[in-house]
Amino acid sequence: KNQVEQSPQSLIILEGKNCTLQCNYTVSPFSNLRWYKQDTGRGPVSLTIMTFSENTKSNGRYTATLDADTKQSSLHITASQLSDSASYICVVSFAGGTSYGKLTFGQGTILTVHP
Amino acid sequence: KAGVTQTPRYLIKTRGQQVTLSCSPISGHRSVSWYQQTPGQGLQFLFEYFSETQRNKGNFPGRFSGRQFSNSRSEMNVSTLELGDSALYLCASSLDLMGHTEAFFGQGTRLTVV
Repeated sequence: KNQVEQSPQSLIILEGKNCTLQCNYTVSPFSNLRWYKQDTGRGPVSLTIMTFSENTKSNGRYTATLDADTKQSSLHITASQLSDSASYICVVSFAGGTSYGKLTFGQGTILTVHP
Repeated sequence: KAGVTQTPRYLIKTRGQQVTLSCSPISGHRSVSWYQQTPGQGLQFLFEYFSETQRNKGNFPGRFSGRQFSNSRSEMNVSTLELGDSALYLCASSLDLMGHTEAFFGQGTRLTVV
């Protein structure tokens, strides 16, 4: 079964600190992996999209890495800000069979940044 | 450029009723997909439409249905509402099929079934 698992479920850090969120997936084959940020009560916003051949992609203070061999991805946030408090969701796009392009979502990591 | 617009933003319905939610994609986008988000289950895929055709479908009962119009606007219908249907329903649009290109989400419709 295609699954996406994220860890930790929640994380509290102090403003200015760095943090790393993890994503393990079993979706195979896959075409791309995405990270989204979702503020409370709002729709998710795309942070990065990586194809299976990419190892890293940055978007400002957000850097995502991908290891397609071990089926792991991470999202690193540098110099956290209060506005980084949100849920971060890892999403994998399936690349096989009749469900080609179907997105599988992780449960998300809730990040809280304290002053 | 206007983003993805979902209406209404909030809705309260009674068990057994039916509801229709609307989604207007970003201009030029041909794919619209729908998702249900609950605290316990996270985001779950409902279905995707591309050029008025359903391309993919999630594991939801037949009470959940959708359609897409020639202008790419989409509607989702839930019949015979159950308490467990209470959730945030999100719509996303993309230029091409959702799995190929970046998806842009709307703000969602918060449905409460009482």
